[in-house]
Amino acid sequence: QKEVEQNSGPLSVPEGAIASLNCTYSDRGSQSFFWYRQYSGKSPELIMFIYSNGDKEDGRFTAQLNKASQYVSLLIRDSQPSDSATYLCAVTDLMDSSYKLIFGSGTRLLVRP
Amino acid sequence: DADVTQTPRNRITKTGKRIMLECSQTKGHDRMYWYRQDPGLGLRLIYYSFDVKDINKGEISDGYSVSRQAQAKFSLSLESAIPNQTALYFCATSEAGPSSGNTIYFGEGSWLTVV
Repeated sequence: QKEVEQNSGPLSVPEGAIASLNCTYSDRGSQSFFWYRQYSGKSPELIMFIYSNGDKEDGRFTAQLNKASQYVSLLIRDSQPSDSATYLCAVTDLMDSSYKLIFGSGTRLLVRP
Repeated sequence: DADVTQTPRNRITKTGKRIMLECSQTKGHDRMYWYRQDPGLGLRLIYYSFDVKDINKGEISDGYSVSRQAQAKFSLSLESAIPNQTALYFCATSEAGPSSGNTIYFGEGSWLTVV
C-alpha cells in the first residue's frame, strides 16, 4: 500500500515569513510529485509539480525533492494571509500505467496578519 | 462557467436510497476520475476512466459504480447509500496521465450526506 504522509498542522506563520510544508512517501518507485492548494470547501488546485531531485521555483513557491530520503517539500516565501489553506501532497508512479495520484491528507497553513 | 461541472452540489439522502452524482466537462479531456474526500484522510480514488470504453476501479470502489456516457460525462452511483459514504466527492479530468505534467482539473465538489 503506497502511502503519502503529511503533518496535519495547523502550521502557523506570520505574514512575510517562509512557510515550509513537508511530505514523505513510502514507494521508492514514485517519480512524479505534486503540490495542490485547497481552500476550505473548495476544490484542489495545482500549484506545481516536480520530477527531478533538487529545487524547482515558481514565483513565491519552491518545491524541493529528495528521492533518496523519499521527501518532498514546498516552501512559500513572503507568506500572505491569502495563502492560508490546506496543502495536499500527491505522488504517482510512472511504472503504474494507471497514473493514479496518491494524495496525502494535507497540511493546514495559517498565515497570521 | 466551470469547466468541470458536478450536480448536485449538495444532497442529503437516506440510508438504502440510490443516489447518482453527475459530472460533465467542457475541457475535451479523455481521462475522468471520481475522488472522495474525508476529513483527515485526504483524497481517495474511487473510479477512473481513460476513454468512453474504459472503466477502472480505484482504491475504494466497493459500494460505488460508474458510467461513462460520453467523453464529456462521467457519473457516480451509490446503489444503496450508507452513512459512512457521507463525504465530499470530486470529479476530475486530465488530458493525459498526471505523471506527464498535465494537470488534473477538479470540479467544485458534491457534498453528500447519508442519514
